[in-house]
Amino acid sequence: DTEVTQTPKHLVMGMTNKKSLKCEQHMGHRAMYWYKQKAKKPPELMFVYSYEKLSINESVPSRFSPECPNSSLLNLHLHALQPEDSALYLCASSQDRAGLSNTGELFFGEGSRLTVL
Amino acid sequence: KNQVEQSPQSLIILEGKNCTLQCNYTVSPFSNLRWYKQDTGRGPVSLTIMTFSENTKSNGRYTATLDADTKQSSLHITASQLSDSASYICVVSAGSYGGSQGNLIFGKGTKLSVKP
Repeated sequence: DTEVTQTPKHLVMGMTNKKSLKCEQHMGHRAMYWYKQKAKKPPELMFVYSYEKLSINESVPSRFSPECPNSSLLNLHLHALQPEDSALYLCASSQDRAGLSNTGELFFGEGSRLTVL
Repeated sequence: KNQVEQSPQSLIILEGKNCTLQCNYTVSPFSNLRWYKQDTGRGPVSLTIMTFSENTKSNGRYTATLDADTKQSSLHITASQLSDSASYICVVSAGSYGGSQGNLIFGKGTKLSVKP
């Protein structure tokens, strides 16, 4: 079982709605990530938080707003999304960012399947 | 440009058979190479992580090889089971701490279907 928990598993929203995706880990990891994955494509990095500070924003539209309230939680706030934003949103965590350059594990959550109508 | 190429794109095998998936990369500086298994609609799960000094690493019926000279890796699955049906993603970590993708370059994956 994954140690990164994402909620909700499925979300359907209209283009005018405001919703949030949540991610939680209790492994003491200090780096957390949001990825977007379209069908039959690899995950694409959206945001990286390192020690609760945003360290990477891969030119993501402002209708996606990340938040890291504490070292265990990562949120992704959604507002005024478009149908093309429908995808599987994956949260991941690692001990720290530097560890990925060694053999540090990157743990993924099960994902939140988002459908924008 | 850092790239990870996987082949084949998809593969169908019979239960009990072996198969080998390929990964070629052009990533510099190279740090490590990871294989993930991703079931449809679920998050990727790590199978192996290999540094340039490691040639082979096993995880149960999964054996990964790495040739850092030719920049190739393979994932060999022995005695396949129906539960092996999934996408297998090769991910290479670049040594540049401040690089894009948070250091990780993902391949497009190989979709494996194991039939009874």
